[in-house]
Formats: sequence, structure tokens, C-alpha cells
Amino acid sequence: DGGITQSPKYLFRKEGQNVTLSCEQNLNHDAMYWYRQDPGQGLRLIYYSQIVNDFQKGDIAEGYSVSREKKESFPLTVTSAQKNPTAFYLCASSFTNRDNEQFFGPGTRLTVL
Amino acid sequence: KQEVTQIPAALSVPEGENLVLNCSFTDSAIYNLQWFRQDPGKGLTSLLLIQSSQREQTSGRLNASLDKSSGRSTLYIAASQPGDSATYLCAVRQRTGNQFYFGTGTSLTVIP
Repeated sequence: DGGITQSPKYLFRKEGQNVTLSCEQNLNHDAMYWYRQDPGQGLRLIYYSQIVNDFQKGDIAEGYSVSREKKESFPLTVTSAQKNPTAFYLCASSFTNRDNEQFFGPGTRLTVL
Repeated sequence: KQEVTQIPAALSVPEGENLVLNCSFTDSAIYNLQWFRQDPGKGLTSLLLIQSSQREQTSGRLNASLDKSSGRSTLYIAASQPGDSATYLCAVRQRTGNQFYFGTGTSLTVIP
């Protein structure tokens, strides 16, 4: 089945630790995105990538880092510099053709202990 | 910067009722608008995609309309069912920067 997978589903982090969230897609999409969702707020864009080895900052990139070494994979690292990382993180992908829709993974819930 | 608003934030209706969810956006320079459904603790499921040149799209009991010039879209759900209970989000794909901007969603509860 084609789709987007995210792992883990739940993640707990101690203060001062870096953690990496995984996102993989087998839809042959060129573009991949990371969003953060907080209660009562819309999705906010962290980073996006439209091609391998290239990515752009979104509205809330501070304290996060990404890499795009393979078309299928777009991991997100939440660094210790992110002051309030507890949130629901969603990965998405789409074709870069602007007529196409965006598809989402099931999400990772990160909690800082 | 694009601002996307959804009103109401929450809606409760009896089963069988027809209902309309609203989405408004401030910048009409968009490629398309997409409606999603989100169940608690889950990812987003795409419902309908409307291109900027289109006026409406239909899928089963769902009908979405787009008035780009006025910056508005509506999602019409016919004959609502308890299984329709979820949060519905709209998103626009911006021409500038090719980013997506999301509304905060409408939480729908359909009462049996």
C-alpha cells in the first residue's frame, strides 16, 4: 500500500536531549513537509523540501533541523534549543506540481518530561 | 501573509441534518484549496481538493465550493451521521512560496 509512515507514534524526551522523528513515503512525491500542531491552533510549517538535498525553513524552524538525503525520507530532529517541543508532529508529502493535493502521515506525539 | 479562518470553531448537530462549514482566506493568490478530516490523535485525511479555476467539487455526501474572489470556501455535508464527527480543516496552497496555510478547524459532533 502506498502511503506515509511516521515513527514512533509516541516519543518522550528529557530536557536537554535531541530526538529524531522519522517520516517515510512511498508515493514517489517530490515535496515533503513537517508541521507542528498544538491544541486550538492550526498546523504550523516547520520545514519543507521540494527536492533531495534541499530544504527551506517554514514559519517556526527555530530549534529544529532536517535532512533530505533520499527522496523517500525526511527526518526531523527536535533539538534542545526548542524551548517548548511538546506537540503533535505531522509529516506530509505532495507532488511539486501545484495542482496536486497534500497527503499526511499518522503523526508523532512528542512529550517532554 | 495568508490568514485562514474557520468559523464556527465547534458545531453540534443531530443526526440526519445537513450542515455547512466555512473557511475564509485573506490572499486570493492560491493554486488550490483542500478540505481535510482529522480524528482525535490521528493524521489528516484528504476529503476534497478544489483548483483555483474550479467552483466546486463533490464526493459522496460532501460538496465543497470555492469563491476565490471573495476568499471563501464552504464544505456542505448532507444527511450527517455520527461517523462524521471529527475536526474539519481547510488549507490553501499559496502561489508565493508554494506553501500550504491551514485554518484552525471546526470540531463537528453529530448526535445520534
